[in-house]
Amino acid sequence: AQKVTQAQTEISVVEKEDVTLDCVYETRDTTYYLFWYKQPPSGELVFLIRRNSFDEQNEISGRYSWNFQKSTSSFNFTITASQVVDSAVYFCALRAPNEKLTFGTGTRLTIIP
Amino acid sequence: DAMVIQNPRYQVTQFGKPVTLSCSQTLNHNVMYWYQQKSSQAPKLLFHYYDKDFNNEADTPDNFQSRRPNTSFCFLDIRSPGLGDAAMYLCATSRDPGRGLQDEQFFGPGTRLTVL
Repeated sequence: AQKVTQAQTEISVVEKEDVTLDCVYETRDTTYYLFWYKQPPSGELVFLIRRNSFDEQNEISGRYSWNFQKSTSSFNFTITASQVVDSAVYFCALRAPNEKLTFGTGTRLTIIP
Repeated sequence: DAMVIQNPRYQVTQFGKPVTLSCSQTLNHNVMYWYQQKSSQAPKLLFHYYDKDFNNEADTPDNFQSRRPNTSFCFLDIRSPGLGDAAMYLCATSRDPGRGLQDEQFFGPGTRLTVL
């Protein structure tokens, strides 16, 4: 069985602060994929990143960075110098071969101007 | 731009009155999904098509049906909507080349269904 835990239900930070969203996952599969999606108020789920279980390199994309730690089963997401447009619900998700995509419960991020 | 399109964006129906939501894609992806998302919850998979093969989730009510007449289009039919079916319905697509490989899913903007 797969499980994704996003313990932070809601986070508020002041604009320009850095913020980290936590994601912890559980799976018995040795091959799996991890994802982050952003859901702004408009409702569309926007794909941010995919990481496979064999690639533990951290990734940086502009103000976004991801820290994948297999030893702790975590895939955390950091936004540097946050902006109001970053306000959204962020979902972490996990998928193993022949399994459906399993979402965490999401973290609602509010950036205060 | 290649994308996933959902129509309508907002749908109001009456209790028990059948409704159809549509999804189209220009990505030429072989897999299409329908999710239901209620307020402050994660999306819940209802079913998906792998090419023409329909895959229903075990806990999807019989009230929900789907059709995929071709690669580009997929429909969600709710035969007798109840108040509990009010939700956002999200369509997604992915390219699944098989062999256990998994591409990311791309989502449409969703249809918000209201049941009166």
